[in-house]
Amino acid sequence: GESVGLHLPTLSVQEGDNSIINCAYSNSASDYFIWYKQESGKGPQFIIDIRSNMDKRQGQRVTVLLNKTVKHLSLQIAATQPGDSAVYFCAEIPSSGNTGKLIFGQGTTLQVKP
Amino acid sequence: DAGITQSPRHKVTETGTPVTLRCHQTENHRYMYWYRQDPGHGLRLIHYSYGVKDTDKGEVSDGYSVSRSKTEDFLLTLESATSSQTSVYFCATYRDPANTGELFFGEGSRLTVL
Repeated sequence: GESVGLHLPTLSVQEGDNSIINCAYSNSASDYFIWYKQESGKGPQFIIDIRSNMDKRQGQRVTVLLNKTVKHLSLQIAATQPGDSAVYFCAEIPSSGNTGKLIFGQGTTLQVKP
Repeated sequence: DAGITQSPRHKVTETGTPVTLRCHQTENHRYMYWYRQDPGHGLRLIHYSYGVKDTDKGEVSDGYSVSRSKTEDFLLTLESATSSQTSVYFCATYRDPANTGELFFGEGSRLTVL
């Protein structure tokens, strides 16, 4: 069945270091893969997405890598800051049409140490 | 921000009572969703709507119903609340057409069923 999962529930990094958050997915036919950030007490917030025909996409301080061969998605955050502390979710949109029906992974908590 | 307002933000109720959560959006987005978020499960889709009076079930729809009589409002109803429905509920919207995986989320409604 379809599932999206993250490798580690918690990741602790030093401020200023780079963070890498990983995600494995099982549906190789999905159209989009997305990363969301959820701060405590708030709703998830879109960070970046990547289409299935791409391998890499860069945003501001963030890079998403997609390895379709091993069904692996990662989010890289450069120069991690205290404000990056949050839960990060990967998600995918199945290929049954781009209606925004996301399937979410369970989330990785990023802790940034000062 | 997509102007998504959820109400109530917090509610405590007793088993067997009906509960309605409201989601209001000001962006005229076509698609709307209700997710629930529980520890260890991430976000799971309850129901979604692809237009006025057009709704469909998600992966955890048992015990829930929805209605959408206007573009801007999407209601989630628990006909007879159970303790297993204690959760944080998020409403989300999706712009159509959209070449993106970006959903816009509300701030969440925390429901406790005693």
